[in-house]
Amino acid sequence: SQQGEEDPQALSIQEGENATMNCSYKTSINNLQWYRQNSGRGLVHLILIRSNEREKHSGRLRVTLDTSKKSSSLLITASRAADTASYFCATDTNTGKLIFGQGTTLQVKP
Amino acid sequence: ETGVTQSPTHLIKTRGQQVTLRCSSQSGHNTVSWYQQALGQGPQFIFQYYREEENGRGNFPPRFSGLQFPNYSSELNVNALELDDSALYLCASSLDLAGGPDTQYFGPGTRLTVL
Repeated sequence: SQQGEEDPQALSIQEGENATMNCSYKTSINNLQWYRQNSGRGLVHLILIRSNEREKHSGRLRVTLDTSKKSSSLLITASRAADTASYFCATDTNTGKLIFGQGTTLQVKP
Repeated sequence: ETGVTQSPTHLIKTRGQQVTLRCSSQSGHNTVSWYQQALGQGPQFIFQYYREEENGRGNFPPRFSGLQFPNYSSELNVNALELDDSALYLCASSLDLAGGPDTQYFGPGTRLTVL
């Protein structure tokens, strides 16, 4: 069964706008990771946030984690056409086994 | 680039056949994990190898098996292929320290089609 559930399933925005994706999970975690996937190719690691962290930034990315609500959000600011991709959250319960959600498909229109 | 490579890129097999997929991990990484991603779905964990031993398995039958070699290469073998095995197969390498495995770096995947 899926641990993570992303919301929304699909998102379409204009270039320059911000994109927010949410992820909810079911069990306690060691860390949560966000990945990007272009056109069914390999996954690109974006950011890892540990269970004792609440917020993390990397360039135009901002990730938050609320362990009490078992949820995380990924914010992409000032989006670009090149950000068009599928985004997945994945949780790790310290077994090294990543459990992925269904993903959010983001389309950024030029 | 993650430094993780996979071969072949695409593969077409018929039902009942056997297939071997290969992965080359980042140098120094002692852990490799394999995932199956069906079209439109998130990746599903198949199994993980740590220092050449299986170290955790997902909900996949025994006809899915693997090997990890000392030279940072690994294999995923699937016997008696079924139509539902058609998917993108991803390997990911990571370094497992005392605190457990950390960031996993994925290869580009092998697209397997079973006819």
